[in-house]
Amino acid sequence: AQSVTQPDIHITVSEGASLELRCNYSYGATPYLFWYVQSPGQGLQLLLKYFSGDTLVQGIKGFEAEFKRSQSSFNLRKPSVHWSDAAEYFCAVGAAMTGGGADGLTFGKGTHLIIQP
Amino acid sequence: NAGVMQNPRHLVRRRGQEARLRCSPMKGHSHVYWYRQLPEEGLKFMVYLQKENIIDESGMPKERFSAEFPKEGPSILRIQQVVRGDSAAYFCASSPIGHSYEQYFGPGTRLTVT
Repeated sequence: AQSVTQPDIHITVSEGASLELRCNYSYGATPYLFWYVQSPGQGLQLLLKYFSGDTLVQGIKGFEAEFKRSQSSFNLRKPSVHWSDAAEYFCAVGAAMTGGGADGLTFGKGTHLIIQP
Repeated sequence: NAGVMQNPRHLVRRRGQEARLRCSPMKGHSHVYWYRQLPEEGLKFMVYLQKENIIDESGMPKERFSAEFPKEGPSILRIQQVVRGDSAAYFCASSPIGHSYEQYFGPGTRLTVT
């Protein structure tokens, strides 16, 4: 069974500083990997995804993530955070079903990002 | 292009009542997924449906919970005889034909059982 670990429950970063959120997954084959962001009381917004190819993927809002197969990691990065980036961030892993659809996603427990002025 | 729509956004039910949560997928999307989010937790997959067909319900509790996605109309997640432990946020996601790996989420329905 697949699983996702986000080791940091809370992270505090100063505005303008760089950010890295960690994500480790467990899956037997090449996974489909996702990062979502959730603002309080809101749904989830897809930041970026990795299916195959280039292991460095670019997303919206200036975020990027790097897939490292050897480390089973898919860490999210941003060079300079803004106060509006304060939110909950979820890493998720999915797999293709043989019928051509996609499996339900498996989510980590999330990392709560706090931005200090 | 409207996103995934869920209603109601907030639902309060007394123990023993029924809860019905609705999800309208994005236009052109044929796959619907339901997830549950408990406080301080990530989302847990419940069920995956296509029109008139349940594909994977491995995450659904065995009793009291059911889901459907009829040929016409929204997908419905139904919880019978609700208990306090059912209080959670329920999210629906949809994905397009041919790109079913990308799931787009609705704003969620927050169910409170009193």
